Order: sequence, then C-alpha cells, then structure tokens
Amino acid sequence: GAVVSQHPSRVICKSGTSVKIECRSLDFQATTMFWYRQFPKKSLMLMATSNEGSKATYEQGVEKDKFLINHASLTLSTLTVTSAHPEDSSFYICSAHIFDLREGRSGNEQFFGPGTRLTVL
Amino acid sequence: LAKTTQPISMDSYEGQEVNITCSHNNIATNDYITWYQQFPSQGPRFIIQGYKTKVTNEVASLFIPADRKSSTLSLPRVSLSDTAVYYCLVDSRRRASKIIFGSGTRLSIRP
Repeated sequence: GAVVSQHPSRVICKSGTSVKIECRSLDFQATTMFWYRQFPKKSLMLMATSNEGSKATYEQGVEKDKFLINHASLTLSTLTVTSAHPEDSSFYICSAHIFDLREGRSGNEQFFGPGTRLTVL
Repeated sequence: LAKTTQPISMDSYEGQEVNITCSHNNIATNDYITWYQQFPSQGPRFIIQGYKTKVTNEVASLFIPADRKSSTLSLPRVSLSDTAVYYCLVDSRRRASKIIFGSGTRLSIRP
C-alpha cells in the first residue's frame, strides 16, 4: 500500500521558536495533502488543504500566518509552526491524497502519516 | 458534508463480534461511508468503504440499509489488538474532497 512518512516523529522546542514538520509520500505522487491536529483523547481536526504549486486553503479558525504550509513538490508538503507556544503542543498528522476511481469506491484515497508529536515548553 | 454520530465508547471481549453503528442522516447521493481505525499516537488507517448494501473485506464488514442514513461496522471475532478508536465518516465522490472526522468510538477489548 501507499506509504506516507512524517519527520520528525516527535519534537520538543522552546516557546517562541519555529518548528518544521515534513510530510512525504514515499511511493506515489499526491497533488493534494491534508494537515490535521489532534489533542489528547480528541478527534482529528482538519487544519488545511495543501495543493502542489499553489497556496494552501485553511479551515476556519486556523491562523495561516502561524501555520505555514508549503507544498513544493508532488511528494513533499511541510508545515511550519511559527513562534510556537505551549498551546500549540499537539499531535500533527498529514495525509496524502490520490484520486483513483474504482467500482464501489468514492475515488478519494487518503493515506495518513504516522504523526508528529510537538511539545512546546 | 454530512455529519456523523456514533457511540463514544464500547466494550467487548476477545472472540466476540463487535458492531458499531453510525448515523448520517444528511448523507448526499454522491457520498460514500468510510471507516478508519486509529491506535494511540498513530495516524488513522483505512478499514472499509461502501455505498450501499454490504461490503466485506479481510478485516471487517460494512452494512448499509437502503435509506443509507446509517451504517454498521462489523468486526468479527475481535482480539485485544482491535482496541482502538473507530471513526465513521462521509466521503464525497468528488476529487480531493476533504473529510471531516467526527468524535469516533473508543472500542476496548478485554481478555
């Protein structure tokens, strides 16, 4: 199956610093990638939709200047948390999307990365 | 996107069949029902997807009644390793359609 990796898997940083998280599709090309965040014992919350070569589309309430998304190639999207604060501590998960129409399926195939745990001190 | 509602938690025992029901009253004609599994500190993993009637794969079955306003994920003979959160969501048959996760069902399997 399609594999998506994230780097780093966990990061601890000081308040005020910036952290970059990479999301890679290892054996396929994805024109669209999604970024989610998840707090302990809560569901995944969609932050933004990242399209290769264009600006990301952010969900309502997500600060685009704080969470910078770059999708420079068909296999790599990055999320940079700028001027991180303790309330940004969370589990960040990306997914890579391909459209593959098959009988009985919606066609939207999303493959999720393993997640990155960010702790801001 | 249709909102989904499912039980917050369920308990069962090893070897039992577990059925998790999800309601999606406002499902649209082009929407598919998809279930994901998530273990702690991991990304979600696709389990099964269906449009109507019954779909079965190597890990689960999905039952969808004719009105499609609900669906039931069936896990046969669960084991301890099936302890996870299960998310029911609606996915539109439209390119790059975003998916919205609901609250999920926390399934606990006991020996």
